Amino acid sequence: QSALTQPASVSGSPGQSITISCTGTSSDVGGYNYVSWYQHHPGKAPKFMIYEVSNRPSGVSNRFSGSKSGNTASLTISGLQAEDEADYYCTSYTSSNTLAFGGGTKLTVL
Amino acid sequence: QVTLRESGPALVKPTQTLTLTCTFSGFSLSTSGMCVSWIRQPPGKALEWLARIDWDDDKYYSTSLKTRLTISKDTSKNQVVLTMTNMDPVDTATYYCARYNWGSRYFDYWGQGTLVTVSS
Repeated sequence: QSALTQPASVSGSPGQSITISCTGTSSDVGGYNYVSWYQHHPGKAPKFMIYEVSNRPSGVSNRFSGSKSGNTASLTISGLQAEDEADYYCTSYTSSNTLAFGGGTKLTVL
Repeated sequence: QVTLRESGPALVKPTQTLTLTCTFSGFSLSTSGMCVSWIRQPPGKALEWLARIDWDDDKYYSTSLKTRLTISKDTSKNQVVLTMTNMDPVDTATYYCARYNWGSRYFDYWGQGTLVTVSS
């Protein structure tokens, strides 16, 4: 069982927006602004999309945004595109100076 | 340009010890703030963090696997080695190494991963 809880799957049509949640505890998500999100296409290396809850590295589309409220972080993808179809994982720094991963969410673009 | 590459056996037998090597370039693990982690993904399952080693040789392990894991580094060779003892078929997974940005607590560069199958 993963330390952080994500929905197993979400879906949306091209152009729509979707949000993926990531729920932890006060010892991880709620206690630190060190939540990051990764996009993972099968067979490829994961790619980081968001760090420190809402920061986007250079080169990542501004269609990707992150936020946090209490023990739940969220990744929102607006203007869905076919290429966004992938698995998405959240991670959070923890009070043990370790990393917790979410269980992953499969995004399907209809 | 930062790159990481995992290497090790594709097949190990149950009860054996797995040794994986992460060879990297573009940064030095002797530089303050540099860290390397190992992460794995069993087929059809989620990513799982395993271990991390920092520039100052501090080491951190997954609580559930810490009795089986050892992480070490060879700064002169730009390598990080992970050993996992008493391998079991449930340890079949793609194993990734990744550079960990200590300042912002995220993995900024990943290797392509190496598939390890545990079978007799």
